[in-house]
Amino acid sequence: ETGVTQSPTHLIKTRGQQVTLRCSSQSGHNTVSWYQQALGQGPQFIFQYYREEENGRGNFPPRFSGLQFPNYSSELNVNALELDDSALYLCASSLEGQPVETQYFGPGTRLLVL
Amino acid sequence: AQSVAQPEDQVKVAEGNPLTVKCTYSVSGNPYLFWYVQYPNRGLQFLLKYITGDNLVKGSYGFEAEFNKSQTSFHLKKPSALVSDSALYFCAVRWAGSGNTGKLIFGQGTTLQVKP
Repeated sequence: ETGVTQSPTHLIKTRGQQVTLRCSSQSGHNTVSWYQQALGQGPQFIFQYYREEENGRGNFPPRFSGLQFPNYSSELNVNALELDDSALYLCASSLEGQPVETQYFGPGTRLLVL
Repeated sequence: AQSVAQPEDQVKVAEGNPLTVKCTYSVSGNPYLFWYVQYPNRGLQFLLKYITGDNLVKGSYGFEAEFNKSQTSFHLKKPSALVSDSALYFCAVRWAGSGNTGKLIFGQGTTLQVKP
């Protein structure tokens, strides 16, 4: 296994609500990226955190935000949920400066917005 | 804009036969190309990459990929498919200007089905 865990595995919310997804990275991995994978699509980069600071962002609105903690865990927060936010959310952790292919992906959290 | 396309939603092959999963790309500058595999309820797993050098790159589980600059393609191949290769495969390109970070642009994925 990759050593990257995500919780919860599944989640159902209603439109307008807020959600927090969690990721626990491998020890020492100070870089975490979040991706959104809609059904039938490839993952889309949301943002990356390095040493608790946002370090790059994809084409996602500000209602998508994140936090990274010193214990190598991180959160993805989504406010004002919309139906189109229904997707599999993946986190991936790595050591800063290491090749991108060394990042490890978690199994994802599947979010359904009704 | 950088992009990756996987023209086939699904590829079906018989076990023991060679397989090809197609990928074309559009990038500015030199491409950094990757293949990942996704099994149900598991995270993406890295298979192989092309950065520079030989056009034929070898990766995990017997997979290889051929980089073709003139055709802007990076097709994934395996000489002899296994039933256990059945999964969802993604081609990806590293986002220009992202440096050596985890900012990847993925194709839409191709489901590989290997029949016994």
